[in-house]
Amino acid sequence: AQTVTQSQPEMSVQEAETVTLSCTYDTSESNYYLFWYKQPPSRQMILVIRQEAYKQQNATENRFSVNFQKAAKSFSLKISDSQLGDTAMYFCAFMKQGGSEKLVFGKGTKLTVNP
Amino acid sequence: NAGVMQNPRHLVRRRGQEARLRCSPMKGHSHVYWYRQLPEEGLKFMVYLQKENIIDESGMPKERFSAEFPKEGPSILRIQQVVRGDSAAYFCASSPTGKAGGGFSYEQYFGPGTRLTVT
Repeated sequence: AQTVTQSQPEMSVQEAETVTLSCTYDTSESNYYLFWYKQPPSRQMILVIRQEAYKQQNATENRFSVNFQKAAKSFSLKISDSQLGDTAMYFCAFMKQGGSEKLVFGKGTKLTVNP
Repeated sequence: NAGVMQNPRHLVRRRGQEARLRCSPMKGHSHVYWYRQLPEEGLKFMVYLQKENIIDESGMPKERFSAEFPKEGPSILRIQQVVRGDSAAYFCASSPTGKAGGGFSYEQYFGPGTRLTVT
């Protein structure tokens, strides 16, 4: 079974600065996808960024980028130029390719962006 | 294109009552997933359905919980004889069938969730 670990329960950052959230996972699968979801106080789950395991290039979406280290089974999220609206819970998630394609989530990191 | 819809948004039940949670997937989506989020926890997979079929229910408690996704109408997650430990947020997500325009077909789009409180 796959597991996802987020070792930072809470983090804070000053507005406009950069912050990195950590995620490690455990799997014996070769083909899979990794995701970061954001959950603001409204509780709506919002996809931030995704990475296909077969791609060596790290995914980037505007201010959000990942550092994907497949051998180390690490998938960290970097948020540049942090904004107050980035305050939220962030969840790392794993999806095995094929099968039922269910998401396996970590416990989350609560990020607070301070003015 | 309307997003994934869930209702009710908030549901209060007394112990022993039944809870019915509804999920309408995005238009054109025929895959539905249900997840449960306990306080201070991440989301945990419960069940994966396609129209009229349960594909994977490995995360569903064996007793009191059931799910369906009929040919017509929303997907329903039913919890019979609720207990306090069932209090949680229940999220539904949907995904499309196959590749749409070459896009990523596995992305799951989440609804706003139903917060169930058992008193």
